[in-house]
Amino acid sequence: AQSVAQPEDQVNVAEGNPLTVKCTYSVSGNPYLFWYVQYPNRGLQFLLKYITGDNLVKGSYGFEAEFNKSQTSFHLKKPSALVSDSALYFCAVRDRPRPGSARQLTFGSGTQLTVLP
Amino acid sequence: DTAVSQTPKYLVTQMGNDKSIKCEQNLGHDTMYWYKQDSKKFLKIMFSYNNKELIINETVPNRFSPKSPDKAHLNLHINSLELGDSAVYFCASSQERQPSTDTQYFGPGTRLTVL
Repeated sequence: AQSVAQPEDQVNVAEGNPLTVKCTYSVSGNPYLFWYVQYPNRGLQFLLKYITGDNLVKGSYGFEAEFNKSQTSFHLKKPSALVSDSALYFCAVRDRPRPGSARQLTFGSGTQLTVLP
Repeated sequence: DTAVSQTPKYLVTQMGNDKSIKCEQNLGHDTMYWYKQDSKKFLKIMFSYNNKELIINETVPNRFSPKSPDKAHLNLHINSLELGDSAVYFCASSQERQPSTDTQYFGPGTRLTVL
């Protein structure tokens, strides 16, 4: 069974400082990894994904994430945080597609990011 | 322009009622999903349909029944609503057949409140 852990319920960072939101995963085989962001009373917006290739993935709004196979991690990062980045961030994982496999995403519990002015 | 849309956005109803939530996607995707987000913001898959065929059916009460009239629509019907059904329900879609997008795109959510 696949699983995702986001060890921090809440991350606070000052505006202009770098931010990191942590994610570790467990999946059989090579994973597909995703980050989504949820603003208050809104749906989930796709930020970025790792499928294959370069371990550093760049996404929307200046976010990036680094895939680390040995540590089974996929931490989300941004060099300089904005107050408008304050939101709920979800990491998600799925198995690579294969016949008969489920296509579901398994989400972490979410991390509330607050960027302080 | 809306890629994945849901109606209604808010739904307030009494216990015991039957209600439906509708979802439509205009992305041309072949797979659609329903997720439930509880009060602690935890997201869990409920159902998945691929080309109108049910492929994921997680452990949810059989009061919940998905219906997919065509590839672009996946509706969720809930019978005999209970207090514990109060949550935000998200629809999503993805393209699984090659060329696959690998990415699920979510609707804005339907906040269901059962009184």
